[in-house]
Amino acid sequence: GENVEQHPSTLSVQEGDSAVIKCTYSDSASNYFPWYKQELGKRPQLIIDIRSNVGEKKDQRIAVTLNKTAKHFSLHITETQPEDSAVYFCAARSGTNAGKSTFGDGTTLTVKP
Amino acid sequence: DAGVIQSPRHEVTEMGQEVTLRCKPISGHDYLFWYRQTMMRGLELLIYFNNNVPIDDSGMPEDRFSAKMPNASFSTLKIQPSEPRDSAVYFCASSPGGGRYEQYFGPGTRLTVT
Repeated sequence: GENVEQHPSTLSVQEGDSAVIKCTYSDSASNYFPWYKQELGKRPQLIIDIRSNVGEKKDQRIAVTLNKTAKHFSLHITETQPEDSAVYFCAARSGTNAGKSTFGDGTTLTVKP
Repeated sequence: DAGVIQSPRHEVTEMGQEVTLRCKPISGHDYLFWYRQTMMRGLELLIYFNNNVPIDDSGMPEDRFSAKMPNASFSTLKIQPSEPRDSAVYFCASSPGGGRYEQYFGPGTRLTVT
């Protein structure tokens, strides 16, 4: 089955700096790669996603890049703010086992004011 | 739209008791997922349904766990008998289908088994 590895497990940055979180996946048939943000005590919420036919997608301060050849994708947050502090999860949706997504272990991002 | 609804929000029970968690997905969504989240194991997919049919239950840890989806607007996750190691936050999520894959999570049920 699909295996998703996420790095780093923790990340601390100064407010205003950029943050990058990387994920690798094993199943070349995976076709959808979302990122979820989970604040303490809250539910995971989708912040951005990308499909396998696209290399990059941006939404204001957040961007995701996908390298299908290397089977990795990354989340980029620019001009970080304290409210960006949360746990971020990547996921990969299998193109063969329709509907099933495998999540990474999460990255705890701390933005210091 | 009310979003995904889960009940109860908190459940404290004694070892050996039966626990039933409930979920109402977003209307019109074709997929429903049950996840378990712990510090040690992260976010684990337990089972998911497509159009009320269980598709993959390979994440269900043991026979003590069972899930049903009798109709498009309701699903249950049952643990019988419960054990302390079942303590976790259980999330239900739904997804539209039809080429849309994003998942919408419910608020979760925090289960504590003593």
